Amino acid sequence: SQTIHQWPATLVQPVGSPLSLECTVEGTSNPNLYWYRQAAGRGLQLLFYSVGIGQISSEVPQNLSASRPQDRQFILSSKKLLLSDSGFYLCAWSVSDRAYNEQFFGPGTRLTVL
Amino acid sequence: AQSVTQLDSHVSVSEGTPVLLRCNYSSSYSPSLFWYVQHPNKGLQLLLKYTSAATLVKGINGFEAEFKKSETSFHLTKPSAHMSDAAEYFCVVTFNTNAGKSTFGDGTTLTVKP
Repeated sequence: SQTIHQWPATLVQPVGSPLSLECTVEGTSNPNLYWYRQAAGRGLQLLFYSVGIGQISSEVPQNLSASRPQDRQFILSSKKLLLSDSGFYLCAWSVSDRAYNEQFFGPGTRLTVL
Repeated sequence: AQSVTQLDSHVSVSEGTPVLLRCNYSSSYSPSLFWYVQHPNKGLQLLLKYTSAATLVKGINGFEAEFKKSETSFHLTKPSAHMSDAAEYFCVVTFNTNAGKSTFGDGTTLTVKP
């Protein structure tokens, strides 16, 4: 069966520090991968998605970047965190060859920037 | 462009009474529609999905939703609320495109009173 992992689960970082959040998927190959941010009391905002290794699409201009160095690994990064980067970050995957696109979500990372 | 509107940001019901969470979508093409549930500080779990098969869709935990094309709606219902149903619910629309990007509603917080 497929599983998706995210770490760390929680993170507290000072403003201006770097960030690296990691997401890995097991039990499938060539998945579509997604990073979302959920601000307090809000819905999910799609930040990045990837349809293959090295292929990253950015949905909104921001202080973050994403990379996909391996087929089932998706990394969210920042060189210098801002206060506004605080939120709940969710990674998700979907099967790439299905017409509909049910997404499977990881447990999330709670990021607090102080 | 696709969009999804959850008509109520908060819904409060008593345990044992019916639940109705409303969702309307707009699209130029036939969408796939999903309802997800999110408990505090957790990832999202799929409740049910509509992918152009039967218009009445049954999901987990006794939830169901009916796709009404004429009304562009996909409301979520449950005959009898349980305390464990208290959570955030998201309606999601996805198109059958490459990468299958999804658009999330802003969410509805369901409170269940004893």
